[in-house]
Amino acid sequence: DTEVTQTPKHLVMGMTNKKSLKCEQHMGHRAMYWYKQKAKKPPELMFVYSYEKLSINESVPSRFSPECPNSSLLNLHLHALQPEDSALYLCASSQGAGDNQPQHFGDGTRLSIL
Amino acid sequence: KQEVTQIPAALSVPEGENLVLNCSFTDSAIYNLQWFRQDPGKGLTSLLLIQSSQREQTSGRLNASLDKSSGRSTLYIAASQPGDSATYLCAVSAYSSASKIIFGSGTRLSIRP
Repeated sequence: DTEVTQTPKHLVMGMTNKKSLKCEQHMGHRAMYWYKQKAKKPPELMFVYSYEKLSINESVPSRFSPECPNSSLLNLHLHALQPEDSALYLCASSQGAGDNQPQHFGDGTRLSIL
Repeated sequence: KQEVTQIPAALSVPEGENLVLNCSFTDSAIYNLQWFRQDPGKGLTSLLLIQSSQREQTSGRLNASLDKSSGRSTLYIAASQPGDSATYLCAVSAYSSASKIIFGSGTRLSIRP
């Protein structure tokens, strides 16, 4: 079991749907991350939140909208996704952003776009 | 632009062997280097983190070394076990953007009983 919890584990949605991915950690970490991982590829960074403020957006399309309501919770809102957005979406947290501490990952949400 | 390479892409060895996984990176101005493990369909587990001022880190049967000047790191696994079968990923962060991790493509390790 990981200390970073992601829900749902699997999600199938149509291109016109709106859905949200949720990530929660209770380790007191102040940095949280979203990654996208395609099959047999390494994770690619999408967003970084530090102290609940967006600090890095890796030029992610606006159909992905992150939100950090509090220090324990990170959401990724999805709208009008494309089939190529099908992937494993991983959330991670660390004590601080860029503080030489390891990132802790959740098990991900496997997203399929029909 | 930082590039991280891991060779080999896949490795299969019999149980009990000691083995070495390799990682190379193009820009030596790194903040730290991490080794992760990923089991199929799961997230990543951090194994070892080496800060730029350090040369190695050890945890149990794992030892990771870092040579910044040559742009290389190795992960040594002693007395391999079937439970060590997984994909091992090397990742670096730069001083200019310490919270951003760049991953290698990974080495898929299979330990045969």
